[in-house]
Amino acid sequence: SQKIEQNSEALNIQEGKTATLTCNYTNYSPAYLQWYRQDPGRGPVFLLLIRENEKEKRKERLKVTFDTTLKQSLFHITASQPADSATYLCALVWNTGFQKLVFGTGTRLLVSP
Amino acid sequence: EPEVTQTPSHQVTQMGQEVILRCVPISNHLYFYWYRQILGQKVEFLVSFYNNEISEKSEIFDDQFSVERPDGSNFTLKIRSTKLEDSAMYFCASRAMSDQPQHFGDGTRLSIL
Repeated sequence: SQKIEQNSEALNIQEGKTATLTCNYTNYSPAYLQWYRQDPGRGPVFLLLIRENEKEKRKERLKVTFDTTLKQSLFHITASQPADSATYLCALVWNTGFQKLVFGTGTRLLVSP
Repeated sequence: EPEVTQTPSHQVTQMGQEVILRCVPISNHLYFYWYRQILGQKVEFLVSFYNNEISEKSEIFDDQFSVERPDGSNFTLKIRSTKLEDSAMYFCASRAMSDQPQHFGDGTRLSIL
């Protein structure tokens, strides 16, 4: 079965630095890979979607890359702010029909002032 | 911006009782989902729903679970006879069409006593 790995340890960085989060998967590549933000007690909030045939996507301070050879996606937040502190989830879609999401465990990001 | 709305935010129920969790998806969306997240664990897929029928379900979604779209706006998840292990956050999500992301509600925290 497919496995998704995200760093289980929290990532602590200083405000203004770039945060880089990793999502690795096994077996065959998904059709889509999505990144979500989750705050405590809240639902996941969609951030970015990248398709299998895309290498990179950007949105404001966010960038996601997708390397099907390494079976890895990297999620970058540039010029990080304390308000970026949250848990970041990667979610993969293999079945392009009804597109259930398979989530990783998430990585908690803490941005210090 | 349109959002997915879930009620109630917190539901406390005695073991063995029936519970109905309610969701109002985004109005022009066609695909509907339920996920759950046990405290401290990852978000897990339960069921997807399209064109008034279940399109896919997980092993978690056994005979005690059912979903319904009783009218043009609501989407419900029913658990017939709750167990202690059903305690979790339940998230509803909806999606417009192919290769569009899923958008999540803020969930219902279900506590089984």
